[in-house]
Amino acid sequence: DGGITQSPKYLFRKEGQNVTLSCEQNLNHDAMYWYRQDPGQGLRLIYYSQIVNDFQKGDIAEGYSVSREKKESFPLTVTSAQKNPTAFYLCASSLFGLASHRRHEQFFGPGTRLTVL
Amino acid sequence: GENVEQHPSTLSVQEGDSAVIKCTYSDSASNYFPWYKQELGKRPQLIIDIRSNVGEKKDQRIAVTLNKTAKHFSLHITETQPEDSAVYFCAASISRGSNYKLTFGKGTLLTVNP
Repeated sequence: DGGITQSPKYLFRKEGQNVTLSCEQNLNHDAMYWYRQDPGQGLRLIYYSQIVNDFQKGDIAEGYSVSREKKESFPLTVTSAQKNPTAFYLCASSLFGLASHRRHEQFFGPGTRLTVL
Repeated sequence: GENVEQHPSTLSVQEGDSAVIKCTYSDSASNYFPWYKQELGKRPQLIIDIRSNVGEKKDQRIAVTLNKTAKHFSLHITETQPEDSAVYFCAASISRGSNYKLTFGKGTLLTVNP
């Protein structure tokens, strides 16, 4: 289970505030991902990054922003533009190098539960 | 983009029975199909995966089958145990160029009754 961490575990936010969720990995993985999990909705991709200083929008990127300044870190900012931010947020990482046979497998962090008050 | 449908959304079985969860995908270019298990309050973890050049894969009590023509794949759990109770997610991935993102189904809550 070790290797990818998220903080904080629980986060409370007032409406109109931006908050940043942390995701760190020491697995030397190239790719990192952010998902949102709502009851009955599965895992929906917010943003992903396959190399440092580059990232792409996923299926529900509106109201979120990310950065990838270091290989091991991929923070997610939930902005005030996100209309319904209360959810469970999961970060994941995977090997990306062409030499890896396991490059598709994604390893998940423990998650951050965000509640908007 | 890719769309993955998963059924049923809930499944209740008696201990020792088999459980089957089915998924369909929309993009025929998808070539990687993992299954994740998420216990209550915990992170999803990969339990088995299959690639499009294989029709079936087995790991102890768990097996996955893939029908590329029909674009569906299934998870089979035999001799279920209470510790198999969890939410199971299927996913599909299209590896085009440098893109390896997964599209997940909505999940199946499996309850194994002792």
